[in-house]
Amino acid sequence: EDQVTQSPEALRLQEGESSSLNCSYTVSGLRGLFWYRQDPGKGPEFLFTLYSAGEEKEKERLKATLTKKESFLHITAPKPEDSATYLCAVQARGQGGSEKLVFGKGTKLTVNP
Amino acid sequence: KAGVTQTPRYLIKTRGQQVTLSCSPISGHRSVSWYQQTPGQGLQFLFEYFSETQRNKGNFPGRFSGRQFSNSRSEMNVSTLELGDSALYLCASSLAPRLTGGTQYFGPGTRLLVL
Repeated sequence: EDQVTQSPEALRLQEGESSSLNCSYTVSGLRGLFWYRQDPGKGPEFLFTLYSAGEEKEKERLKATLTKKESFLHITAPKPEDSATYLCAVQARGQGGSEKLVFGKGTKLTVNP
Repeated sequence: KAGVTQTPRYLIKTRGQQVTLSCSPISGHRSVSWYQQTPGQGLQFLFEYFSETQRNKGNFPGRFSGRQFSNSRSEMNVSTLELGDSALYLCASSLAPRLTGGTQYFGPGTRLLVL
């Protein structure tokens, strides 16, 4: 069964304390992996798309990497405004030509000043 | 520029009724995707449309259907509502299909409560 597991479920950091969030997946026929952040009461905000193992993408304090079984979202010197729930999703080949998109449950990040 | 618009923002229905939700994408965007978000199941994918064609469909029963019009606006319909359909329904738009890697922009969602 296709699964996307994010860890930890929750993470508290001090401002400036770098860390990584993990997204591990078990799907066949990976087509792409997506990262989003979501603030309470709002729709998700798109961050990155990764396609193949070894790929890396950066945006401000965030850097996403991808291996054959997992993706990491590295947060360097986080600030309180980085507090949010971070979601990853995996798109993979499905049956009958359709593709499936499976989300993880998210990591709730809190950055204290 | 104006963002993704979803109407209505809030909706209360009773079991057995049907509901239609609307999503107006950002001007020029031709791809619209729909998602369901609940506290228990998290975010789940419903449909992806591009230029009026459904490209992908999530694992939801046939009571959930959708369509996209020539102006890229999209509607989602849920028939014979069940209590478990209570959720936040989100749509997202982008210039091209999600896998092209372009930025996806989410709307604020429609919160549906089924009594």
